[in-house]
Amino acid sequence: DVKVTQSSRYLVKRTGEKVFLECVQDMDHENMFWYRQDPGLGLRLIYFSYDVKMKEKGDIPEGYSVSREKKERFSLILESASTNQTSMYLCASSLGTGINEKLFFGSGTQLSVL
Amino acid sequence: DAKTTQPPSMDCAEGRAANLPCNHSTISGNEYVYWYRQIHSQGPQYIIHGLKNNETNEMASLIITEDRKSSTLILPHATLRDTAVYYCIVSYPLNNDMRFGAGTRLTVKP
Repeated sequence: DVKVTQSSRYLVKRTGEKVFLECVQDMDHENMFWYRQDPGLGLRLIYFSYDVKMKEKGDIPEGYSVSREKKERFSLILESASTNQTSMYLCASSLGTGINEKLFFGSGTQLSVL
Repeated sequence: DAKTTQPPSMDCAEGRAANLPCNHSTISGNEYVYWYRQIHSQGPQYIIHGLKNNETNEMASLIITEDRKSSTLILPHATLRDTAVYYCIVSYPLNNDMRFGAGTRLTVKP
């Protein structure tokens, strides 16, 4: 089975800190995604990447950046964390062939910014 | 902007079929219908997807209307472990940007 691993399950940071959320997948998937999930709002796409060093903005990229230096790893960066970035962050990956595409998700990182 | 409309919540008795509806009246010809579910404290899990024919796998069945403007996910014999939020998504498979809405919270009751 595909495994998508997020480095932390829970994270507590202070306002203004630089925060790195790490995600690693072990199935040589081309595509990787970062979502955030808030009560009543469902999952919202922040950024995605379809290749090493490539990135595309999703629906809510403001306040975030990403890095994909290696195929298996996709990092989400909060340059200066703010309280409105307190959320559950979910990483996902997909094969990248198009047809019959499925997303595989990690377990999520619950980030609290104080 | 959501391409799908789902009821916010539904209940189902254990052992009965759970039928989860989804409206996608603006679906385009080559867009697929995908279903995922999210059990509490976990990431979403893929269930099934289809283009226009009905589909079945070990988890569920997907019924898509002939005009493709709506679909129904069927869990034939719901168990307590099927309690989750179910997401219906419409997307081109070659698009690398699958959008999730708020989903339907299904509660399976004993």
